[in-house]
Amino acid sequence: GENVEQHPSTLSVQEGDSAVIKCTYSDSASNYFPWYKQELGKGPQLIIDIRSNVGEKKDQRIAVTLNKTAKHFSLHITETQPEDSAVYFCAASIGNQFYFGTGTSLTVIP
Amino acid sequence: EAQVTQNPRYLITVTGKKLTVTCSQNMNHEYMSWYRQDPGLGLRQIYYSMNVEVTDKGDVPEGYKVSRKEKRNFPLILESPSPNQTSLYFCASSLQGTSRYEQYFGPGTRLTVT
Repeated sequence: GENVEQHPSTLSVQEGDSAVIKCTYSDSASNYFPWYKQELGKGPQLIIDIRSNVGEKKDQRIAVTLNKTAKHFSLHITETQPEDSAVYFCAASIGNQFYFGTGTSLTVIP
Repeated sequence: EAQVTQNPRYLITVTGKKLTVTCSQNMNHEYMSWYRQDPGLGLRQIYYSMNVEVTDKGDVPEGYKVSRKEKRNFPLILESPSPNQTSLYFCASSLQGTSRYEQYFGPGTRLTVT
């Protein structure tokens, strides 16, 4: 099956700086790549996603890029705020199955 | 309010004692899924269902059963729980197949098997 690797596992940034989280996947058949934010004690929540026919997508301070040739995709958060502190998961989907990365704990220091 | 609910939220049980974790959604979603979350492993898909009476194995189905008799409900059944099934479980739903629509997650069920 698909294998999704996510780095780094922890990330600390100063408020206002940018944060970048990177993921790689192994199966070229993966065609949908969502990113989730999980706050303490809650379920994951979709923050942005990208499909395999798109190279980049942006939503306010959040952007995702996809390089199909290299099989990697990245989450970019600009102008970070303390409320961005959470665990972030990338995922890759083949058909109706999801494969998640191992998560990145982001801390934004005020 | 549109939501996915899970019950119970916390459960401590003993090895071999059958248990069921319920999941219900009020959004008329066709697709539902169960995941387990373990430290350092992320979320792993256990089972999913495309619609009523249609279920399929995910990445880690061993030791679990599911059923989908009604569109809104998707219970997870552990017929003989073992300590390696101690985990945080999430139910999720989406309008249709995952690559087209957002998945909504429930609040989670923390299961401990002793």
